[in-house]
Amino acid sequence: GENVEQHPSTLSVQEGDSAVIKCTYSDSASNYFPWYKQELGKGPQLIIDIRSNVGEKKDQRIAVTLNKTAKHFSLHITETQPEDSAVYFCAARWTQGGSEKLVFGKGTKLTVNP
Amino acid sequence: ETGVTQTPRHLVMGMTNKKSLKCEQHLGHNAMYWYKQSAKKPLELMFVYSLEERVENNSVPSRFSPECPNSSHLFLHLHTLQPEDSALYLCASSQGLTGANVLTFGAGSRLTVL
Repeated sequence: GENVEQHPSTLSVQEGDSAVIKCTYSDSASNYFPWYKQELGKGPQLIIDIRSNVGEKKDQRIAVTLNKTAKHFSLHITETQPEDSAVYFCAARWTQGGSEKLVFGKGTKLTVNP
Repeated sequence: ETGVTQTPRHLVMGMTNKKSLKCEQHLGHNAMYWYKQSAKKPLELMFVYSLEERVENNSVPSRFSPECPNSSHLFLHLHTLQPEDSALYLCASSQGLTGANVLTFGAGSRLTVL
């Protein structure tokens, strides 16, 4: 089945710096890769996603890149702010027996220091 | 408010107790999910319901019993749990079952089994 590895598990940056979180997946047939942000005391919330026919997608300070050949994708946050502090999860859509499911990474705890 | 409400937010129970977690979504979605979130582990999919019919049960022990009386409500009945079942239980909903449909999560129910 699909396996998603996420690194690093924790990341601490200074306000204004950039943060990068990387994920690799095992099934080359996976074609949809969302990123979820979980703030303290809340459930995960989708912040950006990318499909396999696109190499990069941006939304203001957030961007995701996808390298299908290497089977890895990354989340880039520029000009980090304290409110970016949260746990970030990557995921890959995996198809098995006609059903689809999202397989999540273990999460990255991002801390932005003022 | 995310549109997915979970109660209770915190629950402490003994191994012989019977309790239930409740989830309600106000988004008009037709699929609902239970996930288990443990520290340093990926989100684990437990159950999936589509139009009130269970479509997936990911080898979850029988001490967890889901119920979906209608498309807006989802329950997780708990009995004779083990301490290793202590975790954050997240409910989610989506419009449709494909892995590319955005999951909207509730804030979770933090369960502690003594």
